[in-house]
Amino acid sequence: EAQVTQNPRYLITVTGKKLTVTCSQNMNHEYMSWYRQDPGLGLRQIYYSMNVEVTDKGDVPEGYKVSRKEKRNFPLILESPSPNQTSLYFCASSSVPGPRTPLHFGNGTRLTVT
Amino acid sequence: GENVGLHLPTLSVQEGDNSIINCAYSNSASDYFIWYKQESGKGPQFIIDIRSNMDKRQGQRVTVLLNKTVKHLSLQIAATQPGDSAVYFCAENHQGAQKLVFGQGTRLTINP
Repeated sequence: EAQVTQNPRYLITVTGKKLTVTCSQNMNHEYMSWYRQDPGLGLRQIYYSMNVEVTDKGDVPEGYKVSRKEKRNFPLILESPSPNQTSLYFCASSSVPGPRTPLHFGNGTRLTVT
Repeated sequence: GENVGLHLPTLSVQEGDNSIINCAYSNSASDYFIWYKQESGKGPQFIIDIRSNMDKRQGQRVTVLLNKTVKHLSLQIAATQPGDSAVYFCAENHQGAQKLVFGQGTRLTINP
């Protein structure tokens, strides 16, 4: 089944403890992206990747890192999480580099930072 | 600046009726628009998209209408079913931009 898989689905952590949210897609998509979803703010892009080893900042990249060493994986790294990073995170991919094609989203990771 | 929003945050319709979800945008350079459906506990799911060289596009039970003059688009769902209950997002992009700008979403509730 074609899908974007995120892990974990739920994560509670404390301020300052490094964490990684994994994202993997099995559709051989070139474009991958991370979003966060907050009430009243909608979906905001954190980082995106046009292809392997090519990453770029989105609207809200502060406090996040990403890497794209392989085509299928696009992990989101929070080196020192803070409470304002409590949010619902989505990874997405698409076959064509860029946003002008439907995105396939994962089911989300709900992160709570205390 | 870029702003994609919605006229109504919630919409309640009777099962079997048609639903119309509206979306306004402010960037006149926007030329690609897309609708997503997000069910509880899931990620957004693509419904339909439209480019600015069209003013209407139809899918299965859904129609998107684009009015570039007033910078407005709408999603029409025919014969609304309980499975249509979800939050619906519009998003826009303009040529050269590497991101979608999402609206805040409209929650569609179906009454039996």
